[in-house]
Amino acid sequence: GQQLNQSPQSMFIQEGEDVSMNCTSSSIFNTWLWYKQDPGEGPVLLIALYKAGELTSNGRLTAQFGITRKDSFLNISASIPSDVGIYFCAGQRSYNTDKLIFGTGTRLQVFP
Amino acid sequence: SQTIHQWPATLVQPVGSPLSLECTVEGTSNPNLYWYRQAAGRGLQLLFYSVGIGQISSEVPQNLSASRPQDRQFILSSKKLLLSDSGFYLCAWSPGLYGYTFGSGTRLTVV
Repeated sequence: GQQLNQSPQSMFIQEGEDVSMNCTSSSIFNTWLWYKQDPGEGPVLLIALYKAGELTSNGRLTAQFGITRKDSFLNISASIPSDVGIYFCAGQRSYNTDKLIFGTGTRLQVFP
Repeated sequence: SQTIHQWPATLVQPVGSPLSLECTVEGTSNPNLYWYRQAAGRGLQLLFYSVGIGQISSEVPQNLSASRPQDRQFILSSKKLLLSDSGFYLCAWSPGLYGYTFGSGTRLTVV
């Protein structure tokens, strides 16, 4: 099935550093979502974006809905060890009636 | 409040044995339900989705099948497991507003 292009594939950073990851698509989405998956758990929704250009924060996390509707970005500021996990972007063309298309994931490792 | 339950959490099964994984949702009615598989360190692959009782759509040809015998119950099955069926299986439901809510997953190892 279709997947979104997500980069980087993995990141190894030191505690306290900022993190940036992005997701791109060849087609337009009306909703962009960012999930985090802890080891051995199901993904949990972090941020949902509904409007092109929208910038939304959730604590140290900030995500943006690209103006072209074909991309989205997630930033994590001042990383901490519990930020470790896999981050997935997901796009949805319409609420409720459309399947989510997931990105390939970014694996984040944080070293103390 | 709505919750999603998935079990078992881990399963080790021999090749050729049958499989039944169950997912139930509470606190909502007529949800869209999904089964995903995740290979080790990889992304999420949609296997099946259902928009109602008895309505199943398959995304990829495979050794697995799905059923929805009740509104809030979604079952993933196989008659004979293959080694390649090993992975992390996730059930999800759509709240209707945005995105999906995932269960805690079942780690299946076929030996």
